[in-house]
Amino acid sequence: EAGVTQSPTHLIKTRGQQATLRCSPISGHTSVYWYQQALGLGLQFLLWYDEGEERNRGNFPPRFSGRQFPNYSSELNVNALELEDSALYLCASNTRGRTEETQYFGPGTRLLVL
Amino acid sequence: QQQVKQSPQSLIVQKGGISIINCAYENTAFDYFPWYQQFPGKGPALLIAIRPDVSEKKEGRFTISFNKSAKQFSLHIMDSQPGDSATYFCAASKTYNTDKLIFGTGTRLQVFP
Repeated sequence: EAGVTQSPTHLIKTRGQQATLRCSPISGHTSVYWYQQALGLGLQFLLWYDEGEERNRGNFPPRFSGRQFPNYSSELNVNALELEDSALYLCASNTRGRTEETQYFGPGTRLLVL
Repeated sequence: QQQVKQSPQSLIVQKGGISIINCAYENTAFDYFPWYQQFPGKGPALLIAIRPDVSEKKEGRFTISFNKSAKQFSLHIMDSQPGDSATYFCAASKTYNTDKLIFGTGTRLQVFP
């Protein structure tokens, strides 16, 4: 079974630019979660999408946004990039509506803002 | 009240020794406590999880101990091996609300031969 995939693996942008990160969940999973992993801060919950809808978001400004497509893949957009947005962005997926609770993570996209 | 505090930040253990990582939470509504293991260049992977109805859960060399009254839980790695060298994250959430896993800040474990 293929795992969660993310692209690109690395992304270098400059301040003020926009970044787009992509995630493909495990086949059969309808929920996608986005996390930011900044150095020394652990994983911070960003966004949760399920069945194409944004269900919850963490304590991040509106310039962090995204969407989920009909095939359940997801896109995270970060507008007006700031230096502190440099981090590893992780995507996870699982199946909602079942007792399974494990979130399966992808390898992440490392974003560097210069 | 949403925080999960994890310690130590880093841990160095000799091969064959016991690695112990501790976490404390504040929100008494939390009732699902997973541990994730992350190797360099990889995303975190679920290692073991516990619910408050048991005080201990063991899977192979990995054991979670849970103290509900103290609002603390810990991961014990018995007979630590160099292959266990990774970053470990504890997390907490409410059952059926795992859209918002609250993670600790991570512990970098190094096991030397």
